[in-house]
Amino acid sequence: DVKVTQSSRYLVKRTGEKVFLECVQDMDHENMFWYRQDPGLGLRLIYFSYDVKMKEKGDIPEGYSVSREKKERFSLILESASTNQTSMYLCASSTASRDRGQEQYFGPGTRLTVT
Amino acid sequence: AQKITQTQPGMFVQEKEAVTLDCTYDTSDPSYGLFWYKQPSSGEMIFLIYQGSYDQQNATEGRYSLNFQKARKSANLVISASQLGDSAMYFCAMREAKDDKIIFGKGTRLHILP
Repeated sequence: DVKVTQSSRYLVKRTGEKVFLECVQDMDHENMFWYRQDPGLGLRLIYFSYDVKMKEKGDIPEGYSVSREKKERFSLILESASTNQTSMYLCASSTASRDRGQEQYFGPGTRLTVT
Repeated sequence: AQKITQTQPGMFVQEKEAVTLDCTYDTSDPSYGLFWYKQPSSGEMIFLIYQGSYDQQNATEGRYSLNFQKARKSANLVISASQLGDSAMYFCAMREAKDDKIIFGKGTRLHILP
């Protein structure tokens, strides 16, 4: 059974704190993604990675960075958390193979509140 | 311009009725894939169904089918015999061949009434 796990379901942090969100997949997928989801805005891509140590900016990378040291793990870092980063964060992974649709498999999400 | 448009922000449907969730897309790439995801109130995104742009037949997965009308750039999700557990947010999404990214629509919230 495919599995993407995220380190926390709920997280409360203070403004200015450094925040780490961890994501691990056990499907040997090459691609991994970080999204944030806000009401009325749908899912917006923050960063993605198509290989270890490789990363590309998505649509809203400002205020975020990422790290992918191992194939199965993709971390999202908020260098200095701000209240406008309060959101649901979703991690996903997909194969790079073009044989199929490359559907993404998602983790359960982390609801981050910055106070 | 939006690449994925879901015009129904919310829908209410009686249990056991069929449901059609609308999705239109915009791409100039001749090769692309279309996806539907379900997001229950618990928050996880569940992959439902995939349609490739060159697939000759409409995709089906159990009670889900994708009504693919290529010329109209339409990829509606049809849920037959709706159940209370179908109440959720539904997202249409697209991946163009040149990309590994998927672009999501803003979603439709479906409420199934007993």
